[in-house]
Amino acid sequence: AQSVSQHNHHVILSEAASLELGCNYSYGGTVNLFWYVQYPGQHLQLLLKYFSGDPLVKGIKGFEAEFIKSKFSFNLRKPSVQWSDTAEYFCAVIYGGATNKLIFGTGTLLAVQP
Amino acid sequence: GAGVSQTPSNKVTEKGKYVELRCDPISGHTALYWYRQSLGQGPEFLIYFQGTGAADDSGLPNDRFFAVRPEGSVSTLKIQRTERGDSAVYLCASSVDANEQFFGPGTRLTVL
Repeated sequence: AQSVSQHNHHVILSEAASLELGCNYSYGGTVNLFWYVQYPGQHLQLLLKYFSGDPLVKGIKGFEAEFIKSKFSFNLRKPSVQWSDTAEYFCAVIYGGATNKLIFGTGTLLAVQP
Repeated sequence: GAGVSQTPSNKVTEKGKYVELRCDPISGHTALYWYRQSLGQGPEFLIYFQGTGAADDSGLPNDRFFAVRPEGSVSTLKIQRTERGDSAVYLCASSVDANEQFFGPGTRLTVL
């Protein structure tokens, strides 16, 4: 079945620490990959996306993600987190080209301590 | 400009009742999506429209759920004979293409 796994459900970091959130998908065909973020009290918004080309993609607010096809992974990274990065982070995938439906992971709640 | 809007923001109903949830997409966005999010889970796809037609309704859980988009803009998600398990946040999103879906604030549905 098409699915998305996020292994870290709850992460607590201090400011300036580095962040890496894991995301794995289940399908070996064509995929479009996304990271969405939901700040407290706000809507889901797009952080970054990968469709093709350079597997290292850069998004807003200093976030980046690397697509590793052989590992079916699309991990999110940030070298130095800030208190304002406290949010819930969702990895999402569009499988194949016939539909635009997003399959989401269960999310990772990140708390950054000042 | 205006984002995706959803009404009501909160809806409390009793088991067995009928509810309608409304979504106003971003002007000019041809695709519209419905998801629902239960506590501690990621959003789960329900249905998406391209224009007026349902392009993919594979996520609707059963025939109590139905959605329409008669003029290719506003959409209504309709739930008949609500059950306690239908309690969730119902999210709407719209997009021009597959590049980015813009999400609304959601409608929190509570079935007592």
